[in-house]
Amino acid sequence: KQEVTQIPAALSVPEGENLVLNCSFTDSAIYNLQWFRQDPGKGLTSLLLIQSSQREQTSGRLNASLDKSSGRSTLYIAASQPGDSATYLCAVRRNSGYALNFGKGTSLLVTP
Amino acid sequence: GAVVSQHPSRVICKSGTSVKIECRSLDFQATTMFWYRQFPKQSLMLMATSNEGSKATYEQGVEKDKFLINHASLTLSTLTVTSAHPEDSSFYICSARDSRETANYGYTFGSGTRLTVV
Repeated sequence: KQEVTQIPAALSVPEGENLVLNCSFTDSAIYNLQWFRQDPGKGLTSLLLIQSSQREQTSGRLNASLDKSSGRSTLYIAASQPGDSATYLCAVRRNSGYALNFGKGTSLLVTP
Repeated sequence: GAVVSQHPSRVICKSGTSVKIECRSLDFQATTMFWYRQFPKQSLMLMATSNEGSKATYEQGVEKDKFLINHASLTLSTLTVTSAHPEDSSFYICSARDSRETANYGYTFGSGTRLTVV
């Protein structure tokens, strides 16, 4: 069974800092890995999708890396802003089937 | 980009009644849709996988007769919570997989439904 763990569970940083969110998974036989953002009481917004054959993806101030052999992914946020405050979820899609396994998320607070 | 519309966003119902939640893919066809449940400060837990024109596949521990899923068309899946009880109160989110899926497509999520059973 695929287990997805996210560390830290919560993080508070001052505006402007660069930060790293971590995601680990137990089964390296993945199809892809996706990072999402969730605002309170809202649905999920896809941030970055990394295929199993890729090492990283970038979008604006966000960079996600994937090390499938070690079962790890990181989400790097550069020059954080208060608008980045949200919960960030990591999800892994298995090779078999289409379902996603989610971590519990990292709750990020960026203070002005 | 791909958009999934989920309605209602909030619903309050009395214990013992049934509630239907709709999930529509607006600009793509979704052969597969997923229904998740999320408790406060917890991750999303997959309840069932819904395939157009066939019966849904439920995850272990999810009651089929309580959570009825219908996926009658390529753009619509519904989740009906039957005989709702306060313990069914939760945040329900749907997700859709584009039938044209290529290596670059991820999944698109709805905005969620907050169900409160009183």
